[in-house]
Amino acid sequence: TAGITQAPTSQILAAGRSMTLRCTQDMRHNAMYWYRQDLGLGLRLIHYSNTAGTTGKGEVPDGYSVSRANTDDFPLTLASAVPSQTSVYFCASSAAQGTEAFFGQGTRLTVV
Amino acid sequence: AQSVTQLGSHVSVSEGALVLLRCNYSSSVPPYLFWYVQYPNQGLQLLLKYTSAATLVKGINGFEAEFKKSETSFHLTKPSAHMSDAAEYFCAVSEGMNRDDKIIFGKGTRLHILP
Repeated sequence: TAGITQAPTSQILAAGRSMTLRCTQDMRHNAMYWYRQDLGLGLRLIHYSNTAGTTGKGEVPDGYSVSRANTDDFPLTLASAVPSQTSVYFCASSAAQGTEAFFGQGTRLTVV
Repeated sequence: AQSVTQLGSHVSVSEGALVLLRCNYSSSVPPYLFWYVQYPNQGLQLLLKYTSAATLVKGINGFEAEFKKSETSFHLTKPSAHMSDAAEYFCAVSEGMNRDDKIIFGKGTRLHILP
């Protein structure tokens, strides 16, 4: 079982360019999440979706957008990247509210 | 809104000694609580979870945690540390009863095992 697949695994991006991080799950989970992980700051929630067609803002949503057109996919878009968006990005999903999240392997993004 | 505080960004214990990683939470409703482990260059793996059943929760790799409502705590323990336990540990909280639920993580505690 693939679980959660993130792509790409790593990327170097020029400041000002746009980019979409892809996330696909095959577990038919209702909820999906995007986190960024930075040294000393742990995982911070960017955006989330409790079910297909709905999204919500997390702790650090500025500069990012998401969509949830179907159950399986939850792409994260950076419209105009800035160096402070250099981070490791994790996508996660959970079956229902109050259940544990399953994580992808992460995307390491460097904005230069 | 829910939040998590992990006390100590780094904890060092000797091999064979007790491991204690501290987590305090804030939640407006009875919470769901989780501990995750992250090994270098990997994603997060669930260690254990509290979902309002038994207050003492046992997880994988010999870890356990106790939910204490009066102290708003969910500390992680292991009686005897192994070298393989060296990793980063994250506590997380979810307000599963809320319509607009999300999972919020603490800043993490890096566990070092001394030979």
